[in-house]
Amino acid sequence: QSALTQPASVSGSPGQSITISCTGTSNDVGTYNLVSWYQQHPGKAPKLMIYGGSTRPSGVSNRFSGSKSGNTASLTISGLQAEDEADYYCCSYAGSNTLIFGGGTKLTVL
Amino acid sequence: EVQLVESGGVVVQPGGSLRLSCAASGFTFDDYAMHWVRQAAGKGLEWVSLISWDGGSTYYADSVKGRFTISRDNSKNSLYLQVNSLRAEDTALYYCAKGGYDYGDAIDYWGQGTLVTVSS
Repeated sequence: QSALTQPASVSGSPGQSITISCTGTSNDVGTYNLVSWYQQHPGKAPKLMIYGGSTRPSGVSNRFSGSKSGNTASLTISGLQAEDEADYYCCSYAGSNTLIFGGGTKLTVL
Repeated sequence: EVQLVESGGVVVQPGGSLRLSCAASGFTFDDYAMHWVRQAAGKGLEWVSLISWDGGSTYYADSVKGRFTISRDNSKNSLYLQVNSLRAEDTALYYCAKGGYDYGDAIDYWGQGTLVTVSS
């Protein structure tokens, strides 16, 4: 099964908003409201930012939000800050008790 | 505080085997499914395997099916991954990760990873 499709990179200036897309198929993103998003800084473990498509775990800034339309999920970060610069990965339940990740997106804060 | 500490990563020759371990603390281990996820250097995350709370059900990515075996010992709060018939493409940082009550629940905590290098 191929990875979910994410843009390789996105960028934005401090204070701006950016959106990272995550495109799957009707076998994963399109069928299940079980998309999660992870932030990974260099040399660090991933950190859960969004689960269930749009729910933020306790302690995650409300500048992070998630949504879904059809086979595409999206992560929006508003009010960009320097500390948001990291790699971001989407992940979806893919049926048959398996998960599938996106290829990752490098966010650069200009 | 949830803690997941992996160990067992080494340099191994192609075709070799090893066993990765993960010591869990800070949560009720036998309430949750657990995962292994790997990441090759400079590459993205790849889901490897899932085990149910009681160890009775296991699931694998096609890329490792038949070569890797996930298991757990709830009496020791420990997760394991037996990896056999290793290939160069298995070289990666292997993360132990905590799942939810249901298989589709998001991974919410990750260890720091243990490095497996397959090289002759």
